[in-house]
Amino acid sequence: EDQVTQSPEALRLQEGESSSLNCSYTVSGLRGLFWYRQDPGKGPEFLFTLYSAGEEKEKERLKATLTKKESFLHITAPKPEDSATYLCAVGILTGGGNKLTFGTGTQLKVEL
Amino acid sequence: GAGVSQSPSNKVTEKGKDVELRCDPISGHTALYWYRQSLGQGLEFLIYFQGNSAPDKSGLPSDRFSAERTGGSVSTLTIQRTQQEDSAVYLCASSATTSTDTQYFGPGTRLTVL
Repeated sequence: EDQVTQSPEALRLQEGESSSLNCSYTVSGLRGLFWYRQDPGKGPEFLFTLYSAGEEKEKERLKATLTKKESFLHITAPKPEDSATYLCAVGILTGGGNKLTFGTGTQLKVEL
Repeated sequence: GAGVSQSPSNKVTEKGKDVELRCDPISGHTALYWYRQSLGQGLEFLIYFQGNSAPDKSGLPSDRFSAERTGGSVSTLTIQRTQQEDSAVYLCASSATTSTDTQYFGPGTRLTVL
């Protein structure tokens, strides 16, 4: 069965305190590993897609990496505006489409 | 440009009533997905549309749920005889083509069944 597990469930950081969020997965027919950010009351906002082990992508203070079994979202020198829930999802082929299976997210709080 | 839009943003209904939720995808996007986000759970795939092909309904939780997509654009998710366990946020996403994997999400419709 396809599974995505994110850890930790919640993370509290001081501004400037770097850390990493983990996403481990077991899936057959992987078609991409996706990271989204979700603010309260809003839909998920796309951050990154990774397709193959060893791939890395960066955007501002965020960097996503991928291995064969897990992905990390590294946050460097976070700011309070980085506070959000970060969702990881794996894409699975479905009749030509790309069904996403999501983890339950990591709720990040960055404090001054 | 305009993103995915959904309406209504909030819907409160009584148990047993039918509800319709609407999704307007990004213009030109051919693939459309519906997901459900329940409290404390991850997003759950419901249904997928691609052009004029038959939809993938494998995620619909019961036959009370149905969806259609008219003219390859707007989609409506219908829940008949709503139950309290249907209370959740219903999210719609679209992507440019099936080979373009990035799905862009709308703001969601929060459904509360009393």
